[in-house]
Amino acid sequence: AQKVTQAQTEISVVEKEDVTLDCVYETRDTTYYLFWYKQPPSGELVFLIRRNSFDEQNEISGRYSWNFQKSTSSFNFTITASQVVDSAVYFCALSEAINGNKLVFGAGTILRVKS
Amino acid sequence: DVKVTQSSRYLVKRTGEKVFLECVQDMDHENMFWYRQDPGLGLRLIYFSYDVKMKEKGDIPEGYSVSREKKERFSLILESASTNQTSMYLCASSPDTAPNEKLFFGSGTQLSVL
Repeated sequence: AQKVTQAQTEISVVEKEDVTLDCVYETRDTTYYLFWYKQPPSGELVFLIRRNSFDEQNEISGRYSWNFQKSTSSFNFTITASQVVDSAVYFCALSEAINGNKLVFGAGTILRVKS
Repeated sequence: DVKVTQSSRYLVKRTGEKVFLECVQDMDHENMFWYRQDPGLGLRLIYFSYDVKMKEKGDIPEGYSVSREKKERFSLILESASTNQTSMYLCASSPDTAPNEKLFFGSGTQLSVL
């Protein structure tokens, strides 16, 4: 069965600090997809990234970067030079090719960035 | 932009009431989903639908039912609300053009059952 673990319940940092959000997943499928979503106080989850299991290249998008390591079943998310607007709940999620659109989410990590 | 609209942001109901949560999407998506979000548990899938009048159970369907009479609308029904159904409910949709695509979410309905 698929499972996503986000061990960090809450993280507090001061603006401009770098912060890494951890995500560990379990799946028996060889083809799967990993996602990160951001949920700001408004409540609507916002898609950040989707990565398939055959693409282990790290990705950078502005201040955001993702480190995908199949060897450790991890898909960690780093925010560089954090800003107050980054304060949100961040969810890691997994879908297996065999299950199509069924996403399984981790418990989420609350990120608080203080000015 | 895709818009997923949930009819109420906050809802307060009494135990035993029948509750309807409505969700409408405007991008002609085939797939629609209902999740509930609880602290420490993340999002858990209640039901989903791949097409009109079709539905499949998710991980926690007990106490819920759904209705999809039109492609753009997906309703979640609590037949007899209970206090343990107090939660944030999130609706989502996605196109069927390719599996495992990202979901588009509504802003959620915070339901309190007293």
